[in-house]
Amino acid sequence: NAGVTQTPKFRVLKTGQSMTLLCAQDMNHEYMYWYRQDPGMGLRLIHYSVGEGTTAKGEVPDGYNVSRLKKQNFLLGLESAAPSQTSVYFCASTHGGGGFTEAFFGQGTRLTVV
Amino acid sequence: DAKTTQPTSMDCAEGRAANLPCNHSTISGNEYVYWYRQIHSQGPQYIIHGLKNNETNEMASLIITEDRKSSTLILPHATLRDTAVYYCIVVGTGTASKLTFGTGTRLQVTL
Repeated sequence: NAGVTQTPKFRVLKTGQSMTLLCAQDMNHEYMYWYRQDPGMGLRLIHYSVGEGTTAKGEVPDGYNVSRLKKQNFLLGLESAAPSQTSVYFCASTHGGGGFTEAFFGQGTRLTVV
Repeated sequence: DAKTTQPTSMDCAEGRAANLPCNHSTISGNEYVYWYRQIHSQGPQYIIHGLKNNETNEMASLIITEDRKSSTLILPHATLRDTAVYYCIVVGTGTASKLTFGTGTRLQVTL
């Protein structure tokens, strides 16, 4: 049982390049989340999804897009990367609404934009 | 979802109990209190959660005041491996509820 898996684990991008981060969970969870964490800071919610085919904005959605075409996958896209998007990105999933059950997190994707 | 207030940092001697406070004075009736921790730069790890009763599991105890406006996470015998950032989160049960993290408490366990 792999839990939540993030791909890739590390990436260096040039300004203006695009990329997609993949989050996959094998627990049949309905809810999935994308966060970013800057040095010395807490996690900030980028986008989240309450089910297949649905997405919603979090606290810091600008510059990112997401898709949830399959229940087990939640993709985070950067269309034109900027140095301000240098961060560690975490994905999480929960069975139901946030208050019902614990969240499981991936190990993070370390992204550097130069 | 209600906001929480936690001290920025705390120290604890190894083997002693670590008591981490959290204020959530605007919590509403259907909101749960969750605690997570983040060791180094790993993904956060679930510790415990509760609604109004005190809770205990193999990792920690959660004490929630009767008015539910504050709570305390207790690590009964802290070890060096408990050094981490601890996040207290209040989450509702509706479909719009989402996990939002504050800056947490950095717990340093020392010899």
